[in-house]
Amino acid sequence: GENVEQHPSTLSVQEGDSAVIKCTYSDSASNYFPWYKQELGKRPQLIIDIRSNVGEKKDQRIAVTLNKTAKHFSLHITETQPEDSAVYFCAGGEGTYKYIFGTGTRLKVLA
Amino acid sequence: NAGVTQTPKFRVLKTGQSMTLLCAQDMNHEYMYWYRQDPGMGLRLIHYSVGEGTTAKGEVPDGYNVSRLKKQNFLLGLESAAPSQTSVYFCASSYTPWAEAFFGQGTRLTVV
Repeated sequence: GENVEQHPSTLSVQEGDSAVIKCTYSDSASNYFPWYKQELGKRPQLIIDIRSNVGEKKDQRIAVTLNKTAKHFSLHITETQPEDSAVYFCAGGEGTYKYIFGTGTRLKVLA
Repeated sequence: NAGVTQTPKFRVLKTGQSMTLLCAQDMNHEYMYWYRQDPGMGLRLIHYSVGEGTTAKGEVPDGYNVSRLKKQNFLLGLESAAPSQTSVYFCASSYTPWAEAFFGQGTRLTVV
């Protein structure tokens, strides 16, 4: 079945620096790669996603890159701010109907 | 438009008791999912449904049952609760498996 690995599990950056979180997936049939943000005590919410026919997508300070050959995709946050502190999850859609998440990255932005 | 609503928000069970968690969505989504979230383990898929009347096993289905009698509702049952089922449970729904998943607010379950 699908396996989605996410690294690192924790990440601390200084405010204003960039943060990068990486995920790898196993199912070649996966074609949708979302990233979710979960603030403490809240539900996960989509922040950006990318489909397999696109190599990169940006939305203000957030970007996602996809390398289908290597089966990995990354979340990039630039000019980090304290409100970026949260747990971030990547997900991979298995070839059938499952929506499998990575184990999460706890990002701490230090003021 | 409420989105995805879970009931209850909190529950404490004794070992061996049973309970049902209710998930309701008003977005006419075909796909619905139940996840559990444990520290350091991320979101693990318990069961999912691809449409009314269908259910399928996810990554960690043991000890749980589900039903999708109506398109808008997805029920998660624990027949005989165990302390290992202490977790935060999230329901989610999506239009397709390759689109945004919308989550409920979560249910914090403690089994003592």
